[in-house]
Amino acid sequence: DAGVIQSPRHEVTEMGQEVTLRCKPISGHNSLFWYRQTMMRGLELLIYFNNNVPIDDSGMPEDRFSAKMPNASFSTLKIQPSEPRDSAVYFCASSQGGSNNSPLHFGNGTRLTVT
Amino acid sequence: AQSVTQPDIHITVSEGASLELRCNYSYGATPYLFWYVQSPGQGLQLLLKYFSGDTLVQGIKGFEAEFKRSQSSFNLRKPSVHWSDAAEYFCAAPSNTGKLIFGQGTTLQVKP
Repeated sequence: DAGVIQSPRHEVTEMGQEVTLRCKPISGHNSLFWYRQTMMRGLELLIYFNNNVPIDDSGMPEDRFSAKMPNASFSTLKIQPSEPRDSAVYFCASSQGGSNNSPLHFGNGTRLTVT
Repeated sequence: AQSVTQPDIHITVSEGASLELRCNYSYGATPYLFWYVQSPGQGLQLLLKYFSGDTLVQGIKGFEAEFKRSQSSFNLRKPSVHWSDAAEYFCAAPSNTGKLIFGQGTTLQVKP
């Protein structure tokens, strides 16, 4: 079991640039979650998918953020245009079923720095 | 509103000492409850979970947690802490919409 795989591990970009974060969930898991972690706000759920369909995107900060899950083995989180306040660690997690009673398996995160 | 609270932001214990990390929740019904650990530069890893039944649950790495409905608590314990336990610990529970709500986290420092 390779676990949840995220890429890149680190991303440094300039304000205004487009950023794309990638996630490969664990095979067989049908739920996928995107979280953002900062010192100030802790862990925030941005969006989650069930069977590739976005279920709840109420945590997405604003229209600059978008997420897709074209198939069961791949998801992207895009920020366009990026701003310095988007600097954070972004985690992808997957589970077999929803989060009610299925533990989440987290990737190692992407540390994003926007200058 | 449903919430998960970890009252202690930072705790320091000596290696070999016992540990208890506090977690309080506010929910109407008995919730599912989780503890996760995050080592530096890593994602969160599940330590243990409570769904129903025995209120004392065992997890990995020698951790256990006890669900106490009367106190709305789910505190994490370990009888003897090792230096490798230094990390950040998160308590979590799902909301009624299916979102997993995390506490603010408790950073554990272990003194030699």
